[in-house]
Amino acid sequence: DTAVSQTPKYLVTQMGNDKSIKCEQNLGHDTMYWYKQDSKKFLKIMFSYNNKELIINETVPNRFSPKSPDKAHLNLHINSLELGDSAVYFCASSRGTGIQETQYFGPGTRLLVL
Amino acid sequence: DQQVKQNSPSLSVQEGRISILNCDYTNSMFDYFLWYKKYPAEGPTFLISISSIKDKNEDGRFTVFLNKSAKHLSLHIVPSQPGDSAVYFCAASDTGTYKYIFGTGTRLKVLA
Repeated sequence: DTAVSQTPKYLVTQMGNDKSIKCEQNLGHDTMYWYKQDSKKFLKIMFSYNNKELIINETVPNRFSPKSPDKAHLNLHINSLELGDSAVYFCASSRGTGIQETQYFGPGTRLLVL
Repeated sequence: DQQVKQNSPSLSVQEGRISILNCDYTNSMFDYFLWYKKYPAEGPTFLISISSIKDKNEDGRFTVFLNKSAKHLSLHIVPSQPGDSAVYFCAASDTGTYKYIFGTGTRLKVLA
């Protein structure tokens, strides 16, 4: 069974559309993250939730809104998609918020905005 | 502002030899460092970490060295195996934040 899963794996859409990416972890972890890996291969943190509470919110456009319905899920909704949103989005989870807590990553969602 | 740099985008090594992957950082507040490995179409997986109170940490074939004065860390893989072929990301963090700062990765190819 996959520890951290993401759906969909691939997403091709038109500019201006709204889309969501879902993430689920079955590790019993309290903390979940969204990362973006852009075309230059930078892997950057976007958001982090601990027990459904937002604890990290990097400088991300308001068009991106994370939602955590429960500890096991952290979804990412993106409004009015732009060309620059094309990237690979990774979800991750960890037992807690301490930096020494290993983060476990999902397989990524490849988003292409046309 | 790239606080964690991996200046070698790729590295090729013969099977059985040592692979050395390098990482430099600029933020002196970083006190915890990690290496992640990534295969194509998969997410990064944790490999090894080191706290700033140490200068070396070993786990099997993998050793991470930390030189705080030079703000440099390296990952040694001995002996290298074809299954080690992957992209290796260095990451750093400080205990004042909850986040990792990743480098751009080094693609290692181990030749059989």
